[in-house]
Amino acid sequence: DAKTTQPNSMESNEEEPVHLPCNHSTISGTDYIHWYRQLPSQGPEYVIHGLTSNVNNRMASLAIAEDRKSSTLILHRATLRDAAVYYCILRDRNDYKLSFGAGTTVTVRA
Amino acid sequence: GAGVSQTPSNKVTEKGKYVELRCDPISGHTALYWYRQSLGQGPEFLIYFQGTGAADDSGLPNDRFFAVRPEGSVSTLKIQRTERGDSAVYLCASSSISGNEQFFGPGTRLTVL
Repeated sequence: DAKTTQPNSMESNEEEPVHLPCNHSTISGTDYIHWYRQLPSQGPEYVIHGLTSNVNNRMASLAIAEDRKSSTLILHRATLRDAAVYYCILRDRNDYKLSFGAGTTVTVRA
Repeated sequence: GAGVSQTPSNKVTEKGKYVELRCDPISGHTALYWYRQSLGQGPEFLIYFQGTGAADDSGLPNDRFFAVRPEGSVSTLKIQRTERGDSAVYLCASSSISGNEQFFGPGTRLTVL
């Protein structure tokens, strides 16, 4: 499985943007970049995914580097509810299982 | 609509006992996954069902673990002769056939004393 590297933790202030980096230097051409988050005492929740182009949805934006060796999840205005562990996952287009790493623990200060 | 549900939410058992964990996926989802999450770590894949059959059980740690999905909907994860190292949160997820997004349940916290 292709691996991802994320910072262990990040802090943000409420109402400010949060930029979560992810390095995946061994990504293959058929790997999609998926992001999930896990709120305390809950199961993981899908956030966004992309292949090459930047993606936006109601939860977040995903910015993908031109060489695809890194990506950044952007939460535009952090709220206290966004405090969670965020996982960056590479998933081959022909695969189905998710390979989670340790993720980034995001803390949001009021 | 209803999401993925798992029962029980908590299970405490003694070493050596048998346990069953149940997962009710989202209606109409053909794919179902089991993961296990130990404290402080990300979830770890156990098994994947497409319909009634186990398409990939490569994540099951040993033959004490077994899962079924006899009618292509509800799934049961079965653990025989439980060990203290089996203590973890067991997560179930389901997805549609396209499978881009997996929907997770709240998990069952298993504690083996």
